[in-house]
Amino acid sequence: GESVGLHLPTLSVQEGDNSIINCAYSNSASDYFIWYKQESGKGPQFIIDIRSNMDKRQGQRVTVLLNKTVKHLSLQIAATQPGDSAVYFCAEIHPGDDKIIFGKGTRLHILP
Amino acid sequence: EADIYQTPRYLVIGTGKKITLECSQTMGHDKMYWYQQDPGMELHLIHYSYGVNSTEKGDLSSESTVSRIRTEHFPLTLESARPSHTSQYLCASSESGVRGYTFGSGTRLTVV
Repeated sequence: GESVGLHLPTLSVQEGDNSIINCAYSNSASDYFIWYKQESGKGPQFIIDIRSNMDKRQGQRVTVLLNKTVKHLSLQIAATQPGDSAVYFCAEIHPGDDKIIFGKGTRLHILP
Repeated sequence: EADIYQTPRYLVIGTGKKITLECSQTMGHDKMYWYQQDPGMELHLIHYSYGVNSTEKGDLSSESTVSRIRTEHFPLTLESARPSHTSQYLCASSESGVRGYTFGSGTRLTVV
């Protein structure tokens, strides 16, 4: 079936280094993608989104890259901080449908 | 800060009890959703509503039921709780025409 998945369930990164979290999606018709961050004891929070007519979008310390050729999405976090420790989900939305399909999540650990 | 509230945050209850998980939002959003989050972190849609008196089952079969009598309120009920219902339940809402959800902090349910 169609699904959005993440390559790694866990990622450990040294504080101050850049983090890259990857996601592969299977539905080439998906036209909107979102990255969510879920901290312990909280619900997922919107980080950044990108539409399928874009290749890159930048926010504050975060960048999302979209490669439609290989159906790959990535989230880059610059200068990773302890507050970035969380589970990160990529999600896709189908055209004409507001239901979000979430991937499995990657837990980001920040090493001191 | 998200204006969507879930109560209780934590609930430990015995098998066979009836429970209702509350979800309320003050943003006037038409669409509301319930997700079940398993220990592997994956989010599964179990119910959604696109407006008052409208409820639909999600992608994951659930023994729970929901109601939408008021725009701001979307409670989830389990008539007879079982240990298999132990999970994290997340409520979300979105505005029509806006793609992306606002999540509550979740209810962690443990059935013993």
